Amino acid sequence: QVQLVQSGAEVKKSGASVKVSCQTSGYPFDIYGITWVRQAPGKGLEWMGWISGYNGNTNYAPKFRNRFTMTTDTSTRTGYMELKNLGSDDTAVYYCARTPVADYYFDHWGQGTLVTVSS
Amino acid sequence: EIVMTQSPATLSVSPGEGVTLSCRASQSVRSNLAWYQQTPGQAPRLLIYGASTRATGIPVRFRGSGSGTEFTLTISSLQSEDFAIYYCQQYDNWPLAWTFGQGTKVEIK
Repeated sequence: QVQLVQSGAEVKKSGASVKVSCQTSGYPFDIYGITWVRQAPGKGLEWMGWISGYNGNTNYAPKFRNRFTMTTDTSTRTGYMELKNLGSDDTAVYYCARTPVADYYFDHWGQGTLVTVSS
Repeated sequence: EIVMTQSPATLSVSPGEGVTLSCRASQSVRSNLAWYQQTPGQAPRLLIYGASTRATGIPVRFRGSGSGTEFTLTISSLQSEDFAIYYCQQYDNWPLAWTFGQGTKVEIK
């Protein structure tokens, strides 16, 4: 079955960077994309960006474009996100989600990774 | 950026009752709208895509409708597992931002 398994919780200092992985299985990696969404404590969902599993094309939310990078490793079917220059308002659960080609909803989700930023 | 506005913020409903949630887009998103359900401590789950197509395994009591700027999610005969937060999401404006509504919480009355 389709699975997206994310790396474990992280605690970072302000100004640091964090990298989260999303290991996928159960579907053809190269005909779907991976989307990253975050959720601050007690808040709603915030779309961060999308990366193609086929050719690595990306679409970043303008808010994150300057300090957010998404990559994939097709050999291990894994997606990665890196967020730099962390601030306290980056404390959130970060989710990866599978995204069909040309239809950008999110049909399978990872379990989420809590990133806590402390000063 | 397309702004998605959901109403109401909270709905108090008794089990077995039906409920209708609304989602409005600040400009047309055609039928490029999805609905998600999120229970506490869990990842969101896709319910509806294309405004009205149920995702795999979603019960028929969930029905999505609308197009353009006005959308609804109707849940008939609420079950205990349906008490959750529901989000709408537009995915119309490539390559710009895809956006979520702020959510509607359906709670037990």
